[in-house]
Amino acid sequence: GQQLNQSPQSMFIQEGEDVSMNCTSSSIFNTWLWYKQEPGEGPVLLIALYKAGELTSNGRLTAQFGITRKDSFLNISASIPSDVGIYFCAGQGEFGNMLTFGGGTRLMVKP
Amino acid sequence: DSGVTQTPKHLITATGQRVTLRCSPRSGDLSVYWYQQSLDQGLQFLIQYYNGEERAKGNILERFSAQQFPDLHSELNLSSLELGDSALYFCASSGGGRGGYTFGSGTRLTVV
Repeated sequence: GQQLNQSPQSMFIQEGEDVSMNCTSSSIFNTWLWYKQEPGEGPVLLIALYKAGELTSNGRLTAQFGITRKDSFLNISASIPSDVGIYFCAGQGEFGNMLTFGGGTRLMVKP
Repeated sequence: DSGVTQTPKHLITATGQRVTLRCSPRSGDLSVYWYQQSLDQGLQFLIQYYNGEERAKGNILERFSAQQFPDLHSELNLSSLELGDSALYFCASSGGGRGGYTFGSGTRLTVV
């Protein structure tokens, strides 16, 4: 079946630093999504990407849909303590609307 | 508020017992998905329902079952509970087509 490899698994950074995480797949996706999960809560959609090569920003977050359609990355600039959480990538294939989730990147920010 | 409602928020029960988790999807969404998240783990897909019919199955144990009712709310039944079933259980809904799921805030199940 489809698998998403998300890296890094965890990051411990200083406030103000930029963060980069990525997902790679063995299969092509038509949509890439990035979610954030805060402690004790459900994942919340941050950014959705619908076209290969697309670069989309949401405040300090920027995500790109890879040209090969097999990868995506998420950058967070000038991190702040409230960026703490688990970030999940998800890919949506051609048939139906099932999402395949990456294993998550746990981000910790030191003030 | 995401529009997806899960109850209860917390549940503590003993091994061997049976519990039912409830989910009301976002208004207009026909698909409901159930996920299990153990401590520090990723999201494990359990099962999907679409308009009352089972659509896809993931790593769902035989002790677990689910259904979606005519009003589109869904229930996840967990029986013969074991300590290892302690986890966060999330429900998500979608309207189909492209775009993501909307998640509820989860039910934290603790089996003692």
